[in-house]
Amino acid sequence: DAKTTQPPSMDCAEGRAANLPCNHSTISGNEYVYWYRQIHSQGPQYIIHGLKNNETNEMASLIITEDRKSSTLILPHATLRDTAVYYCIVRYYGGSQGNLIFGKGTKLSVKP
Amino acid sequence: EAGVAQSPRYKIIEKRQSVAFWCNPISGHATLYWYQQILGQGPKLLIQFQNNGVVDDSQLPKDRFSAERLKGVDSTLKIQPAKLEDSAVYLCASSLNQGALGYGYTFGSGTRLTVV
Repeated sequence: DAKTTQPPSMDCAEGRAANLPCNHSTISGNEYVYWYRQIHSQGPQYIIHGLKNNETNEMASLIITEDRKSSTLILPHATLRDTAVYYCIVRYYGGSQGNLIFGKGTKLSVKP
Repeated sequence: EAGVAQSPRYKIIEKRQSVAFWCNPISGHATLYWYQQILGQGPKLLIQFQNNGVVDDSQLPKDRFSAERLKGVDSTLKIQPAKLEDSAVYLCASSLNQGALGYGYTFGSGTRLTVV
């Protein structure tokens, strides 16, 4: 089963920041937080990952709380093309310990 | 780099018929995964291959589903006989190796199966 809890849906106005929360209260010390998204009729696509520090790349920022029990994915300037289902996944960084286990994710709708 | 190729893109069959899906992973990726995604849910792993060997098939309904990756490259997933509840998108993914970092998975666009 997925180790994360996410709201089922969220709306965001185009051009505004989209903040997607995720709870992972049972995360262990060597597990990372990964975010993937799935645009309609496509397979999931990697966005970003982190352990305990905040991370930023060209797609998004990831804020992880100090106790690591929750995180927030931030899309700084959402566009209509960011409409998708966003999955927060907890997984060991490497080794053979675990595949990607998906929950139901958050369906983000970016509106004009 | 070419992505993960899957075919067909769509398939409609009647219940009790058989169906097969094909996947060609990214060149050099040793690990291949088949996921099932039912409408409104996240993808669920069915089977994982490392080269041509099965690593994990604990979630595969073996009475009707089978999969193979004979030469460690392409893979086929078969359902025989199909049931209505098999209607889903079947996603193939690949990674460089079994211990792939969590960002190292590449997914295909999937095959949408409708069983009527």
